[in-house]
Order: sequence, then C-alpha cells, then structure tokens
Amino acid sequence: TQLLEQSPQFLSIQEGENLTVYCNSSSVFSSLQWYRQEPGEGPVLLVTVVTGGEVKKLKRLTFQFGDARKDSSLHITAAQPGDTGLYLCAGDQGAQKLVFGQGTRLTINP
Amino acid sequence: GAVVSQHPSRVICKSGTSVKIECRSLDFQATTMFWYRQFPKQSLMLMATSNEGSKATYEQGVEKDKFLINHASLTLSTLTVTSAHPEDSSFYICSARVPGVRETQYFGPGTRLLVL
Repeated sequence: TQLLEQSPQFLSIQEGENLTVYCNSSSVFSSLQWYRQEPGEGPVLLVTVVTGGEVKKLKRLTFQFGDARKDSSLHITAAQPGDTGLYLCAGDQGAQKLVFGQGTRLTINP
Repeated sequence: GAVVSQHPSRVICKSGTSVKIECRSLDFQATTMFWYRQFPKQSLMLMATSNEGSKATYEQGVEKDKFLINHASLTLSTLTVTSAHPEDSSFYICSARVPGVRETQYFGPGTRLLVL
C-alpha cells in the first residue's frame, strides 16, 4: 500500500503552460518535503512545509500543504524546459523517517 | 544547503563479492543518516536508519545481515552489500538530517551498483 499517492506520474506539456502535481495521503504528516531528482543523481530539496495550510513560493513554483497536513500540491507557472525532471514528495512519519510518493516525471517541450 | 557526499558514484562487481558504499556529511555533523534504494523508474524506498554509535534500524523486509550499516562517526556512515547478487543491482542513496532542523534531510548524489 502506497502511503503517499502522487499524481500524475507522467506529465508532458508545452513551454509556457501551467501545471499542478498532487500528493495525497490518508495519513497525517508532521512535515512534507518536495524534491527534484535528475537522472543518476540524488534528490535535491526544493521546500519543506510544516504548518497546515502553509503556502511557500520558490520563483515560479508554489507549494501548498493541506489544512489537515495529509496532502500537498506543487504548482508551476509558465513552465520552462529547465523544469524537466522527476519531482518527488516525501512525508515525515515521525522519527525523521520519510516516505516517498511514486514521483512525477515532468517533461516540458520547447 | 548542507552537503552530503557518497563514494563511489558507481561500482561494478562480480556476483558473490561485497561492496562498501560511504556516505559523508561534509559541513555538518549527522547523528542520523538514512539509506535508500531506488530501482529504475521507481521512487525511493527507505532501507534503514543509521544511528551514530548504535545499531542501525532496518525497515521490514530488509536483511540486516546482507546490508551491513556502520555509523562510526558523526560524519560517516557506510553500507556494505555482502555477497552481492544481480538482484542487488540498484541506485543506493543516503541522506542525513541536519541537526536542529528536524524536518529537513539532504541527500547524497547516489551510488549506482551493478552486480554481474
């Protein structure tokens, strides 16, 4: 049973479009992280959200933590080819153990 | 962000041999490190939690005698894959928790293991 359901798992859109990636769970997390991973490399931390309802912005990326701390979303505005990559959400179950979603493989076409 | 390194970045070995992978926190001390495994096109799966000065805690289904973890210092954890078999071929990634920043983990660049 996947604790964190991430969707969509694959997304291919044109440059300039907007997109949203979702991360959902029936469990409550003390925090949730979003990572981006390039092929053959480790995940790179984008943001950590801790408070229910929290919204954080990182340039064209907007991250939101659900009020109940069970879900999160990543919204990218005006996507660029440089945004192409694997995006992973990860929830902290406590004792600092992270459980990862399946990942969203994003392709931005020029 | 904090820097975590791994060595080697890739290794090819024969079936039956043992392989050691090192994970180092370069600019901070990490009392807790984590080891993950990632198969192609899949997400990361936690294998074990490495605690400095004590035994590692393994996730269900991970053989502790096959994946030996030693966290001998505050900046180094090692994962040894013993008697490796082709099915152990995978991408192994470590992470370290930054002290005082409870919710944040930084990941190493990963080690690609290929067992022939």
